[in-house]
Amino acid sequence: KNQVEQSPQSLIILEGKNCTLQCNYTVSPFSNLRWYKQDTGRGPVSLTIMTFSENTKSNGRYTATLDADTKQSSLHITASQLSDSASYICVVSDEGSQGNLIFGKGTKLSVKP
Amino acid sequence: GAGVSQSPSNKVTEKGKDVELRCDPISGHTALYWYRQSLGQGLEFLIYFQGNSAPDKSGLPSDRFSAERTGGSVSTLTIQRTQQEDSAVYLCASSPGLAEAYEQFFGPGTRLTVL
Repeated sequence: KNQVEQSPQSLIILEGKNCTLQCNYTVSPFSNLRWYKQDTGRGPVSLTIMTFSENTKSNGRYTATLDADTKQSSLHITASQLSDSASYICVVSDEGSQGNLIFGKGTKLSVKP
Repeated sequence: GAGVSQSPSNKVTEKGKDVELRCDPISGHTALYWYRQSLGQGLEFLIYFQGNSAPDKSGLPSDRFSAERTGGSVSTLTIQRTQQEDSAVYLCASSPGLAEAYEQFFGPGTRLTVL
């Protein structure tokens, strides 16, 4: 069964600290993996997208990694800011089935001053 | 428009009433998707459109839910005889086509509260 599991479920860190969020998936065949940031009360916004051949992708202070062999991805946030407080959702797309995205339940990150 | 828009942003209704949620996709995007996000839960896929056609309606939670899209643009999600468990944020997304489903851009959502 295609699944996307994220950990931790929630995380609290101090402003300025780094953190890493995890995403494990069992989706097969794999097409691509995307990390979304969802602010409270808003729709998700894409941060990064990686295909099978890519193992790292950066977007400012956000760096995503992908290990297609172990089917794991991580999202690393450097020098966190209060505005990073949001839910971070990992989404995996399989090949072929158009529109078939498998969503993780997200990690809720709170950055405290 | 510049992005996906949804209306209303908030809707409070009484149990048993019908509600209509609207989604305006990005201009030129032929694929449109509806999702539901309940409190503390992940995104739940409901239905997608390619043009005006929705080939798979199996993701809709019950026969009280229906969706349509006309003119290949605006879509409406209708919930009849609303129940309290329908309370959630309903998100709409669009992509250039189904082949670019990974390029979905999301709207801000409609928060539905059923009293």
